[in-house]
Parts: sequence; C-alpha cells; structure tokens
Amino acid sequence: DGGITQSPKYLFRKEGQNVTLSCEQNLNHDAMYWYRQDPGQGLRLIYYSQIVNDFQKGDIAEGYSVSREKKESFPLTVTSAQKNPTAFYLCASSNLYSNQPQHFGDGTRLSIL
Amino acid sequence: GNSVTQMEGPVTLSEEAFLTINCTYTATGYPSLFWYVQYPGEGLQLLLKATKADDKGSNKGFEATYRKETTSFHLEKGSVQVSDSAVYFCALSDQASSYKLIFGSGTRLLVRP
Repeated sequence: DGGITQSPKYLFRKEGQNVTLSCEQNLNHDAMYWYRQDPGQGLRLIYYSQIVNDFQKGDIAEGYSVSREKKESFPLTVTSAQKNPTAFYLCASSNLYSNQPQHFGDGTRLSIL
Repeated sequence: GNSVTQMEGPVTLSEEAFLTINCTYTATGYPSLFWYVQYPGEGLQLLLKATKADDKGSNKGFEATYRKETTSFHLEKGSVQVSDSAVYFCALSDQASSYKLIFGSGTRLLVRP
C-alpha cells in the first residue's frame, strides 16, 4: 500500500544534541511538508519542498533544517538551536495542485531528556 | 493573506446527537477546502474535500458544503458515535498559497455514550 512512513515514533533528545526525524513516501508526490503540533494546538509549518534539491522555510523554521536529495525522502533535523523542541512532528506529501489533499504520516513525538 | 477560522472546542455531545462544526475562510482566489480528522496520538486523515463553490463533500456520514457567498465550509453529521471523538481541522489550499494547506486551529469533539 502507498503511504508515508515516519520514524521513529518516539524520540528523545539530550541538551545540545541534534536529532533527525525520517519521512519517506511511496506515493510519487512532488511536494513534502513538515509540521509541528504542540499539545492542544493546531499545526504550524516548519519547512516544505516542491521539488528535489529545493525547499522553503515555513512559519517556524528557526532551529530546524531539512534536505531533499530524493523525491521519496524529506528528513528533518532538529538542531540544538531549537530551545523548545518537545512536540509532535508530522510529515505530509501531496501533488502540486490545490485540489489535491495532503497525506500525513503517523507522526514522531520528540521529548527532551 | 489566506486564513481559516474554526469554532473553538471542545464540543461535547451525546451519542446520536447532531453535529455542526463551523468553519469560515478568507482567500483571495478560488481555494479548495478540506476537513481532516486526528485521532489521539495519530496523524491527520482526510475526511472530505470540496474543490469549487456549491460542491458537497461527504464521507462516513459527515458532510460539508462549499458556500462561496458566506465563505463557509461547515462540517455536519446527523448522528454522532463515540468513535467520532477526535480533533477536526478545516483547511484550504490554493495557488496563492503555493498549494500549502492553511489550517484552522482545530476543534475537539467528545461524544459521550
């Protein structure tokens, strides 16, 4: 079945450490997205990419970095510069038309040790 | 810029009650509109969509009609079940927003037996 796979499901970060969240899709979608969700809150866009080797900052990109070396993969690195990283992170993908919905992964929950 | 406004939750209903979750939007173009559902600890799932004025999206007993004159896309269900308890997000997408999803803040629904 086609879909989006995020790993790991749970992740713990130590002070000063960078961690990388994985996101893989086999839907042949052009665009991929990373969102942050805090408890009881909506979704905020971190980064998005509409084509391989290109990506744009979303609303809250500070302290995060991404790469898009392959169409299927869009990993997110939470750097030590992100001082409040505890959140639920969601990856999504879509085709590049406004009537096409985004498909979401099951999320990664990141916590601070 | 584009925006989506949802009614604040939580919405608490008894089983078999009628559900309405209000959603209004602001957009410069002709957006597509979506409702997503998020169950606890999971990612978002597309519930239904509508891509032009007067379209009605429907799925699993839920319905929403794209009303351009009132810029609304209210979610309705005639008889809710306990299993419908979740957070519901209204969203729009259009070319002006580079096909990114603009989300509302989400509405939590709690259905009691």
